[in-house]
Amino acid sequence: QITLKESGPTLVKPTQTLTLTCTFSGFSLSTSGVGVGWIRQPPGKALEWLALIYWDDDKLYKSSLKSRLTITKDTSKNQVVLTMTNMDPVDTATYYCAHRRGGQKTAMDVWGQGTTVTISS
Amino acid sequence: DIQMTQSPSTLSASVGDRVTITCRASQSISSWLAWYQQKPGKAPKLLIYQTSSLESGVPSRFSGSGSGTEFTLTISSLQPDDFATYYCQQYNIYSGYTFGQGTKLEIK
Repeated sequence: QITLKESGPTLVKPTQTLTLTCTFSGFSLSTSGVGVGWIRQPPGKALEWLALIYWDDDKLYKSSLKSRLTITKDTSKNQVVLTMTNMDPVDTATYYCAHRRGGQKTAMDVWGQGTTVTISS
Repeated sequence: DIQMTQSPSTLSASVGDRVTITCRASQSISSWLAWYQQKPGKAPKLLIYQTSSLESGVPSRFSGSGSGTEFTLTISSLQPDDFATYYCQQYNIYSGYTFGQGTKLEIK
């Protein structure tokens, strides 16, 4: 059974850097085709994809946020870390991580419960 | 970036109705199009992947179709549990993922 859980601060001040950790079980991030992505959702708004890291350490970022985002993985700890710099109140959102299934059936098939982050001074 | 536009933004329907949600891409995309259902306070749930493949455990009243720039999600006979918000999502190996803005399915 695949599970993912997000963790990190609930409150961050403007201009600070946000660091979120996704701890997962039930799969290995060294398996070909597998990835872990980060998605956020501001209150009452739509889902927004942020970043994805693949099993081979290749990475994809949302183009408009690329300068602020870094995604890394620690395969031995079963963790993926997302850092986002220069936080602003508009970045207030629930942040999700999700398992990316590889191959012909590729999709974000299992999601974490999400963690709510508020940006405020 | 590829933009995904869903319509309608809100849909009012009754139990038993057949409903269709449309997702249009700003340029032709591959078949890597998925649909998710989200209920308030919950994480999204995968319904359809690769345009028309039903995720395991999802009721067969959900179906997906489309190609090029236009894709649809159809619910053949609405059940009370189906009232939720639905999102399409495309995947491109170079630019990553994009979600539509969502369609809220409400009880009429």
